[in-house]
Amino acid sequence: GAGVSQSPRYKVAKRGQDVALRCDPISGHVSLFWYQQALGQGPEFLTYFQNEAQLDKSGLPSDRFFAERPEGSVSTLKIQRTQQEDSAVYLCASSARGLADNEQFFGPGTRLTVL
Amino acid sequence: GENVEQHPSTLSVQEGDSAVIKCTYSDSASNYFPWYKQELGKRPQLIIDIRSNVGEKKDQRIAVTLNKTAKHFSLHITETQPEDSAVYFCAAREGNQAGTALIFGKGTTLSVSS
Repeated sequence: GAGVSQSPRYKVAKRGQDVALRCDPISGHVSLFWYQQALGQGPEFLTYFQNEAQLDKSGLPSDRFFAERPEGSVSTLKIQRTQQEDSAVYLCASSARGLADNEQFFGPGTRLTVL
Repeated sequence: GENVEQHPSTLSVQEGDSAVIKCTYSDSASNYFPWYKQELGKRPQLIIDIRSNVGEKKDQRIAVTLNKTAKHFSLHITETQPEDSAVYFCAAREGNQAGTALIFGKGTTLSVSS
């Protein structure tokens, strides 16, 4: 079946613009994670959803970052008033159940460049 | 919270040699440890994982060992091939509650030359 998809794959924004990044998880997957991956680094956790509930947003770096998953499937990560330090690849991952040790399947990421 | 250290940051081997990547973690409650392979510009893909109730797991040329007492785990790749060249990330699941995040190491760039 189809894997996790993300759009757009690439986004260039001028500093101060708002951006919205979309994640389509594997159908039926309960858990959805967002990670930020800076160049040459490992992914860093941003936020977690179980179905439509955002259970952990401790990794969001500032109140400019907002995520939602209103119907428990597609999720959107929104960044307001983008800054140059927001430039990174944003990865979405989903897993089948609400159990912690299920494999997380990653999407291809959205590469955000803030000029 | 959980902290994961990974080394080496780069590793170069000849085709056919073995490669070992080591990680340490800080949270003794962590009980799930996956390894991901990421090729340039592509998504991380799970290659093997281990849970804390076992000490070793093997899948063809890849094996992972876990020492809970010392809080470290290692990836072993035998008979390396050029297509093994990629960045490898270890991770630990923070705590042991449902829905907790993976905490990743900084990655190891493996280069296999033929």
